[in-house]
Amino acid sequence: EADIYQTPRYLVIGTGKKITLECSQTMGHDKMYWYQQDPGMELHLIHYSYGVNSTEKGDLSSESTVSRIRTEHFPLTLESARPSHTSQYLCASSEDSYNEQFFGPGTRLTVL
Amino acid sequence: DQQVKQNSPSLSVQEGRISILNCDYTNSMFDYFLWYKKYPAEGPTFLISISSIKDKNEDGRFTVFLNKSAKHLSLHIVPSQPGDSAVYFCAAHMRFGAGTRLTVKP
Repeated sequence: EADIYQTPRYLVIGTGKKITLECSQTMGHDKMYWYQQDPGMELHLIHYSYGVNSTEKGDLSSESTVSRIRTEHFPLTLESARPSHTSQYLCASSEDSYNEQFFGPGTRLTVL
Repeated sequence: DQQVKQNSPSLSVQEGRISILNCDYTNSMFDYFLWYKKYPAEGPTFLISISSIKDKNEDGRFTVFLNKSAKHLSLHIVPSQPGDSAVYFCAAHMRFGAGTRLTVKP
């Protein structure tokens, strides 16, 4: 059974606030990913990690940052949120980069 | 640079008929392809995959076909059921298409 969690599920905040989106998985996967998705659009890879202390930027330029201090935890931080950051953020993990990814339920972020 | 493309944003079929969802890719280095299914307010879930050494993979009602020379793959669902109504994403190496919303009418 896949267990990957994201909190919060929904977040509405004002411009300029610092936020952290949490993602945790209990499957012991080394690979973790963050995607950004707008309605009707493809999932854009914004960050990924191949293991502890490893983080890389994805295809889509993002002002967010990530950290990977523990295998199970891959939080995403926005230092100063803007309305252009309004989107859905999906976290995923996998055994390796070719295997299926297991996704969390997503965080829908709205920045006013 | 959109390396995985799903050009049909939506598809509607009658229950019991075949659903065919299409996907094109541009990167010839891709050698493993996956299909995911997504319901509203949930993350995508893995459905079926295919390696580039095969041209077909079947799992129950779901079959994926791969045409490497055309850089094209398709997902066939037979017979389609109302519970199959969801958004379907094609993916390869961390790149996802925009999805196709399938509606199966009773």
